[in-house]
Amino acid sequence: DGGITQSPKYLFRKEGQNVTLSCEQNLNHDAMYWYRQDPGQGLRLIYYSQIVNDFQKGDIAEGYSVSREKKESFPLTVTSAQKNPTAFYLCASSRDREAGYTFGSGTRLTVV
Amino acid sequence: SQKIEQNSEALNIQEGKTATLTCNYTNYSPAYLQWYRQDPGRGPVFLLLIRENEKEKRKERLKVTFDTTLKQSLFHITASQPADSATYLCAPVQAGTALIFGKGTTLSVSS
Repeated sequence: DGGITQSPKYLFRKEGQNVTLSCEQNLNHDAMYWYRQDPGQGLRLIYYSQIVNDFQKGDIAEGYSVSREKKESFPLTVTSAQKNPTAFYLCASSRDREAGYTFGSGTRLTVV
Repeated sequence: SQKIEQNSEALNIQEGKTATLTCNYTNYSPAYLQWYRQDPGRGPVFLLLIRENEKEKRKERLKVTFDTTLKQSLFHITASQPADSATYLCAPVQAGTALIFGKGTTLSVSS
């Protein structure tokens, strides 16, 4: 089955450490996205990529970095510069702007 | 700045009734608008897309309207069931950008 896989499902890290969240899709979608969701809040856009080797900042990119070396993969690094990294992180992909987004099941990051 | 407002954070209705959720947007000129369902601890699931030249779109028990003059979309679930309980998100679509989502409305359908 085609889909989008995020790993791990739960992640615990110590304050000050960088951590990388994985996102892989086998849907052959060109565009991929990272969102952050805090309790009781909506999704906020971190970064997105419309094509390999290209990506754009979203509304809350500070403290995060991404790469898009392969069509299938769009990893997100949460750096120590991110002040409040504890959140639910969602990755998504889409075929084109008329198509709905396919979301992964999310990674819940807790920084202690 | 661009803003998306979904009518209320929570909506409680009885099984069998029609649920109506509202999405209002400002400082947008979307070509499309999408609706998603999100269950607790899960990623959103795409439900429907409506284009600016479509007044109404239906899918099974779901109906979406899109009024570009009022800058509003209405999302209806007819004959609602407890299994419809979830958070529903709207997202106006502008060309060349990623989706920005509303905060969502949490629907609870009681039996």
